Amino acid sequence: EPEVTQTPSHQVTQMGQEVILRCVPISNHLYFYWYRQILGQKVEFLVSFYNNEISEKSEIFDDQFSVERPDGSNFTLKIRSTKLEDSAMYFCASSVQGWGYGYTFGSGTRLTVV
Amino acid sequence: EDKVVQSPLSLVVHEGDTVTLNCSYEVTNFRSLLWYKQEKKAPTFLFMLTSSGIEKKSGRLSSILDKKELSSILNITATQTGDSAIYLCAVEQGGSEKLVFGKGTKLTVNP
Repeated sequence: EPEVTQTPSHQVTQMGQEVILRCVPISNHLYFYWYRQILGQKVEFLVSFYNNEISEKSEIFDDQFSVERPDGSNFTLKIRSTKLEDSAMYFCASSVQGWGYGYTFGSGTRLTVV
Repeated sequence: EDKVVQSPLSLVVHEGDTVTLNCSYEVTNFRSLLWYKQEKKAPTFLFMLTSSGIEKKSGRLSSILDKKELSSILNITATQTGDSAIYLCAVEQGGSEKLVFGKGTKLTVNP
């Protein structure tokens, strides 16, 4: 069964450093998403991406965050200057048609900011 | 503010028991409700419900949506230890790309 692949599975970074989280969506999917889950809290939407541009973003997705699809297969989330409160599990998801039915989530990257 | 509330937050049962998990929502422009199972990491899709009163079934799992009561239930019959997981409810809204998630119900099935 096709999978969404995320790397790394766990990343530890110093506060103020830049991190890039990587995702390889399912190959025929056209819609891409990032969600995050702070320990013990809800899964929260960050951003959706379609046709090489952001289609929707949440209030969490401020200027510190950016997304890119640099080469037609990878989908990345960059956090420019990490803060302690950015520590969370970050999930990438992709979808054929942009409906919830078609979401496939990756296994996540656990980001720890120290 | 849009809300999705799940209950109970945690539940411990014995193998063979039947469980019912609840999800209620208050969102504008409701489109669909989805159930996910989250074991170690990635949420895996279980059901999507759009029409009230129609039951979706997959083996021992079933789910139904009540649009009048703005709620849904997820039933698991003859539970097994492999059903131990966090069950997430999420709501999709028309005109938006995002899913709004509840906090989840942590189900533990003991042998």
